[in-house]
Amino acid sequence: GQSLEQPSEVTAVEGAIVQINCTYQTSGFYGLSWYQQHDGGAPTFLSYNALDGLEETGRFSSFLSRSDSYGYLLLQELQMKDSASYFCAVPSNTGKLIFGQGTTLQVKP
Amino acid sequence: ETGVTQSPTHLIKTRGQQVTLRCSSQSGHNTVSWYQQALGQGPQFIFQYYREEENGRGNFPPRFSGLQFPNYSSELNVNALELDDSALYLCASSLSGDEAFFGQGTRLTVV
Repeated sequence: GQSLEQPSEVTAVEGAIVQINCTYQTSGFYGLSWYQQHDGGAPTFLSYNALDGLEETGRFSSFLSRSDSYGYLLLQELQMKDSASYFCAVPSNTGKLIFGQGTTLQVKP
Repeated sequence: ETGVTQSPTHLIKTRGQQVTLRCSSQSGHNTVSWYQQALGQGPQFIFQYYREEENGRGNFPPRFSGLQFPNYSSELNVNALELDDSALYLCASSLSGDEAFFGQGTRLTVV
């Protein structure tokens, strides 16, 4: 089977740095994706790691360790608008996505 | 370039009824996937269509069915609705399995 584990909630203050971890168990691994979803909105793609290491895109970075079946999303210089749910997901070779349960990030002033 | 659009945005149905949800994929995308997202949960894969053929199915009963049309738009049909079918239904389109772009979803409430 395939499963992904991530914390259910994280709280941080504006301007801080927060890390959202994700561990996975999959049969056949093609990479780890991260999606952001605001209340009532569509999931939007943030990043994709196919290889080990850190990928940086502006204030957001994503890390993958294939040997540890582990990845994380790092959000820097937090803003109020970053309050949302964040999902790690594993894509199959056909693009089907298996999602984690999601981490609700609350950014406080 | 238009994004992924879904209709309707909200829907209320009675248990036992049937429902059809629609999705227009992003221009140029030939693959459409449908997901069910219960409140507070991650999206769960229902099925995927590639060039009008079903190309993978998740753990959903046969009363969940779909279609993809020649213009790559898609429908999700659910028969014999149950209360547990209440959820946000998301459509995602991609080009042959590359990065998926999601629509805003259809919020289905079964009463």
